[in-house]
Amino acid sequence: DIVMTQSPDSLAVSLGERATINCKSSQSVLYSSNNKNYLAWYQQKPGQPPKLLIYWASTRESGVPDRFSGSGSGTDFTLTISSLQAEDVAVYYCQQHYSIPFTFGPGTKVDIK
Amino acid sequence: EVQLLESGGGLVQPGGSLRLSCAASGFTFSSYAMTWVRQAPGKGLEWVSAICGSGGSTYYADSVKGRFTISRDNSKNTLYLQMNSLRAEDTAVYYCAKALGGSCYSSVDNWGQGTLVTVSS
Repeated sequence: DIVMTQSPDSLAVSLGERATINCKSSQSVLYSSNNKNYLAWYQQKPGQPPKLLIYWASTRESGVPDRFSGSGSGTDFTLTISSLQAEDVAVYYCQQHYSIPFTFGPGTKVDIK
Repeated sequence: EVQLLESGGGLVQPGGSLRLSCAASGFTFSSYAMTWVRQAPGKGLEWVSAICGSGGSTYYADSVKGRFTISRDNSKNTLYLQMNSLRAEDTAVYYCAKALGGSCYSSVDNWGQGTLVTVSS
């Protein structure tokens, strides 16, 4: 199984400041035949189901604010919130869908400092 | 608007069975892969199972393989998860989710609100 790790476990950022979350997979999730990274980012607020933010590692889902961006390739990925807003308080998960089972990272909790 | 409505959760004794359903609307159900993801109380997300758009291929997490069966009825726009031999560690909110495309190897772009399954004597 591909093991997904995230860092940090939690972070507190001031409103308007940048938040950076890292995700690492135990093996590459880059599919060479289409040059796509099978990596997604989800946001989950308390009491709600997850919401897709980013797919193919860097493609923003429709309707997601452009302060959210994804980067990385192969085994190392980053989710960046360029200017943290109060409504961004949530747990963020990365997930690989390259290899069964499609494993999630343990999550990173983002709070306001 | 895509809507996914899970049902069938509840309290069941260890060793018992439950069948979850997910009624889908707002998209061409048969064209998309569908997934079940669960979340134990206070824990992270765990991928459980997926069925491809064609319905011909199914995949399971090792933790449920041989006990859970995913299926779909494209005529009823409904996804199912038959859960047998339930264990305490299966206690979780179960989410139904729609894939971005017909391939099972897709991220998921829409989620239901979830249904709680509690396995306890």
